[in-house]
Amino acid sequence: KAGVTQTPRYLIKTRGQQVTLSCSPISGHRSVSWYQQTPGQGLQFLFEYFSETQRNKGNFPGRFSGRQFSNSRSEMNVSTLELGDSALYLCASSLGGQGAPLHFGNGTRLTVT
Amino acid sequence: AQTVTQSQPEMSVQEAETVTLSCTYDTSESDYYLFWYKQPPSRQMILVIRQEAYKQQNATENRFSVNFQKAAKSFSLKISDSQLGDAAMYFCAYRNYGGSQGNLIFGKGTKLSVKP
Repeated sequence: KAGVTQTPRYLIKTRGQQVTLSCSPISGHRSVSWYQQTPGQGLQFLFEYFSETQRNKGNFPGRFSGRQFSNSRSEMNVSTLELGDSALYLCASSLGGQGAPLHFGNGTRLTVT
Repeated sequence: AQTVTQSQPEMSVQEAETVTLSCTYDTSESDYYLFWYKQPPSRQMILVIRQEAYKQQNATENRFSVNFQKAAKSFSLKISDSQLGDAAMYFCAYRNYGGSQGNLIFGKGTKLSVKP
């Protein structure tokens, strides 16, 4: 079974631009979550989608948004990029049931210059 | 709000020996899940072990085992017979029972080095 796939692996953007990251979950997984990982703040929860609905959201500004499609694939968008948005963005999928572990992708490394 | 603390930023172990990584957490909930994830240089977070708080028995997965002390809110990971491939960042994580499945609260991580 294929794992969680994130594209692209690396991205370089300029301050003020916007960016879209993509995540394909493991087949059959209906829950997709996004995390931001930085050296200073560590891993922080961005949001979770389940069956195309946002189920939970972390403490991030409205510039961070996401969506999930009917095939469970998810996209994350960051508008008006700031230097502080440089980070590794990790996507994780799960079956969505109680206790179901998260399965992570390899992440997208975003650099904002 | 729940918090997870990993007090050892870096640890080192000799190949074939045993090492214990510490994790403490703070919560007012009685039911929850605890996890250890491993992140090698490839960046992919890999689940090492999972523990349900309502289970008193400590979880084990091959060379990996935990010491879960619910009253002390402690959840340490023991790696036996350490191998070079165990070198990675290790993250302890917490999730409420009944809460959002995707919302894990992570510690800052412990970087484990394995010496040949």
